[in-house]
Amino acid sequence: GESVGLHLPTLSVQEGDNSIINCAYSNSASDYFIWYKQESGKGPQFIIDIRSNMDKRQGQRVTVLLNKTVKHLSLQIAATQPGDSAVYFCAENPFSGNTGKLIFGQGTTLQVKP
Amino acid sequence: EAQVTQNPRYLITVTGKKLTVTCSQNMNHEYMSWYRQDPGLGLRQIYYSMNVEVTDKGDVPEGYKVSRKEKRNFPLILESPSPNQTSLYFCASSRLVGQGVVNTEAFFGQGTRLTVV
Repeated sequence: GESVGLHLPTLSVQEGDNSIINCAYSNSASDYFIWYKQESGKGPQFIIDIRSNMDKRQGQRVTVLLNKTVKHLSLQIAATQPGDSAVYFCAENPFSGNTGKLIFGQGTTLQVKP
Repeated sequence: EAQVTQNPRYLITVTGKKLTVTCSQNMNHEYMSWYRQDPGLGLRQIYYSMNVEVTDKGDVPEGYKVSRKEKRNFPLILESPSPNQTSLYFCASSRLVGQGVVNTEAFFGQGTRLTVV
C-alpha cells in the first residue's frame, strides 16, 4: 500500500548548524514530493516541492534531494534558526493526473538548541 | 491576507449530536479538502472537492459529509459523531493549474480540535 515514512521522529540540532531530515517513500508512481512544516498550534505550511523527474531543488535556505533509486527524500535546512523548530512532514502526490490528494508521512520534530 | 479560516478552533460534544465545522478560503481556490490528524497516523484525507458541487471521498470518509455550494466554503458535517472521531481536523485549499491539475502548495487552516465524549 501507499506509505511515506520518516527515519527519525526527533532531530535536535544546534542553532547555526545545518539540518537534514530524511524520508522514505514507497510509491514509485508519485509525480511530486513535498515538504511541509507544522508549528505548534498551526496547520501545515508548504515549504518546497520537487517533481519526480528532478533530483535536487533549492529554495531559500532549504534544499530538497530526491533519490528515486532508493526511494528516499531529504530536506536540508542551512544555518538552522530557532524559528525552524517545528514538525516536518514529507508528503507525496501519489496519482498521475492529480486528484490533489497528499499522502503524509509521520513527521520529524526538529528541535533547535540555542 | 490569504488564508483558510476554520471554525470553531475547539469543540467538545457528545456522541450523536450533529455538528458542522466550517471552512472558508479567500484565495478563490477551486480545490478544497479536509484532513484529520491523529498521533501515529499522521494526516489523512477525509473528503475533497475539485470545484463547486463536485466532491469525492478521500481515504477516511466514513461518518463524514461535506458540501460545496459556494467556491469559498467547504463545511465538514458529522451527522452522528462518535468518540473515534475525536481528532484534530484541518481544511486545506489549493488552486488548479492547467486542466484539473491541483497545485502541490496547499494552504491549511489553523485546525479544529474536536473531542467527542
